[in-house]
Amino acid sequence: RKEVEQDPGPFNVPEGATVAFNCTYSNSASQSFFWYRQDCRKEPKLLMSVYSSGNEDGRFTAQLNRASQYISLLIRDSKLSDSATYLCVVNGGTSYGKLTFGQGTILTVHP
Amino acid sequence: DGGITQSPKYLFRKEGQNVTLSCEQNLNHDAMYWYRQDPGQGLRLIYYSQIVNDFQKGDIAEGYSVSREKKESFPLTVTSAQKNPTAFYLCASSIFGEGETQYFGPGTRLLVL
Repeated sequence: RKEVEQDPGPFNVPEGATVAFNCTYSNSASQSFFWYRQDCRKEPKLLMSVYSSGNEDGRFTAQLNRASQYISLLIRDSKLSDSATYLCVVNGGTSYGKLTFGQGTILTVHP
Repeated sequence: DGGITQSPKYLFRKEGQNVTLSCEQNLNHDAMYWYRQDPGQGLRLIYYSQIVNDFQKGDIAEGYSVSREKKESFPLTVTSAQKNPTAFYLCASSIFGEGETQYFGPGTRLLVL
């Protein structure tokens, strides 16, 4: 089993749609969780951290379920500019901050 | 502007050649990391350093070497022992400590001739 597994995708949605990505992690000792966004041939950039209570940033909502070891990202009112690969990232619970990355889910928003 | 820079953007390696990828940050971060990304795969950790003059192997260190002589700099050498070096190499840095956000440089794309 992979340490971090994401929906295989790709997701192709029209502008204005709501889309949800799921991610599961295997290390129950993990303490920190993130969603990064990566544009084609660019570096990953932090989209948002994920907190136990859930958190929202504009059109983006992240949820964490520690009991099920599950993370989600919801994007409302999709824009063309949301087209990218979304990476689920989990801190391995180690002192040196090792991050484990999912393989990413490709989102394409079309007119 | 604060940030992480990587050079070159593209690098070509001949068989049997060692090449060095540069990574510099002016964020005053203690920790620095090197990752490799292959198409359709997640990032994999090559080496990391939590403090100057100290570094540790990550998950795929074979065929790579690093140094950390200055806080700002963490160069990665891809040696001839790395048999499949073609990949996108990403350097990152963070404040030292568990759970701290890592910030990435723009990456170097290495191709073998």
